[in-house]
Amino acid sequence: AQSVTQPDIHITVSEGASLELRCNYSYGATPYLFWYVQSPGQGLQLLLKYFSGDTLVQGIKGFEAEFKRSQSSFNLRKPSVHWSDAAEYFCAVETPYNNNDMRFGAGTRLTVKP
Amino acid sequence: NAGVTQTPKFQVLKTGQSMTLQCAQDMNHNSMYWYRQDPGMGLRLIYYSASEGTTDKGEVPNGYNVSRLNKREFSLRLESAAPSQTSVYFCASSEVATGELFFGEGSRLTVL
Repeated sequence: AQSVTQPDIHITVSEGASLELRCNYSYGATPYLFWYVQSPGQGLQLLLKYFSGDTLVQGIKGFEAEFKRSQSSFNLRKPSVHWSDAAEYFCAVETPYNNNDMRFGAGTRLTVKP
Repeated sequence: NAGVTQTPKFQVLKTGQSMTLQCAQDMNHNSMYWYRQDPGMGLRLIYYSASEGTTDKGEVPNGYNVSRLNKREFSLRLESAAPSQTSVYFCASSEVATGELFFGEGSRLTVL
């Protein structure tokens, strides 16, 4: 089955600094890839997704992600972090042959310093 | 627009007790899901329902049963709760073509 690894459990950045959250997937072909964000006590909200085509994907709240097939990666980036971005971020993968079985990474918790 | 609604939000059970988590969505989605979230493990799929009348096992189905009551409602039942089922449970729905899951706010279950 497909799987996702998020190597960083916790990241701290200063407000205004750039951000990159790492995500690596395991699957034999090109999967469908997603980033979700979870604020404390809330459900998850979709930030962006990649199905095919342009490998640089734009999302909500100023986030973007780049699909790199050669590295099996789908890293999330933001040029300038705001205090309101503090949350937990989940990368997820789904395969085209069963798009009801979405697998999530363990998550990366983002802390933003003033 | 309510989206995905889960009840109850909090529940404490004793080992061996049973309970049902209820979920309803008002977005006319075909697919519905139950996930559990545990620290350091992300979300793991328990069961899903691709359409009314069908259900399928996910990654961690043992100890759970589900019912897709109609297109709107998808319930998760614990017949004999165990401490290992202490977790936060999320219901979600989607229109498969878009790939986006819409989540409820979660149900925190503690089994003593």
